[in-house]
Amino acid sequence: QLHLQESGPGLVKPSETLSLNCTVSGGSITSRSYHWGWIRQSPGKGLEWIGSIYYNGNAYYNPSLKSRVGITLDTSKNQFSLNLRSVTAADTAIYYCVRDRVVIISGTYEDFWGQGILVTVSS
Amino acid sequence: DIQMTQSPSSLSASIGDRVTLTCRASQSVTNFLNWYQHKPGKAPKLLIYAASSLQTGVPSRFSGSGSGTDFTLTISSLQLEDAAIYYCQQSYSVPRTFGQGTKVEIK
Repeated sequence: QLHLQESGPGLVKPSETLSLNCTVSGGSITSRSYHWGWIRQSPGKGLEWIGSIYYNGNAYYNPSLKSRVGITLDTSKNQFSLNLRSVTAADTAIYYCVRDRVVIISGTYEDFWGQGILVTVSS
Repeated sequence: DIQMTQSPSSLSASIGDRVTLTCRASQSVTNFLNWYQHKPGKAPKLLIYAASSLQTGVPSRFSGSGSGTDFTLTISSLQLEDAAIYYCQQSYSVPRTFGQGTKVEIK
């Protein structure tokens, strides 16, 4: 069974960089059938897709965050990572790592999720 | 960005009731529409993908329909464990966007 686990600091200071890792077990992040991504939920708000990355390292992002965000793969650790620069209080959220199943006739859907990690931006 | 609008924002229903949730897209998303269930303190769970395909392991009381801009999620016989927030999501274009959610409560 696939399992995703987020890790990283729960507190980040304003203007600094938020860095999270997602460790994948029970499957390989180099599989060509899937993308790997990040989704967040700010307090009291809905879900926001941040971005995703292909098995080959190509990433695509939400334009609203594109200037500040980077997603990378570490195939040696079967991990992928999120970096979000210049954070503000508005970036306080639960961050989920996800597996994206990509099917030509069905679109893309997040079929596995990590439990989520709360990151608070505060001095 | 494609805007997703869900209605109602919340509802309260009794065990065994048939419940219908609606999701409308600001432009056609063909059938690239997914539904997720989110319970407090847990990760969201995929229920339906491609508008009407039931994810493996999801009870058959959940069903989805629609295409283009209008979609529905139906719970045929509401159970206690179905209390949650339900989100629709389009994957027709980037950025993939979610509706604001419908909160389902049990009377």
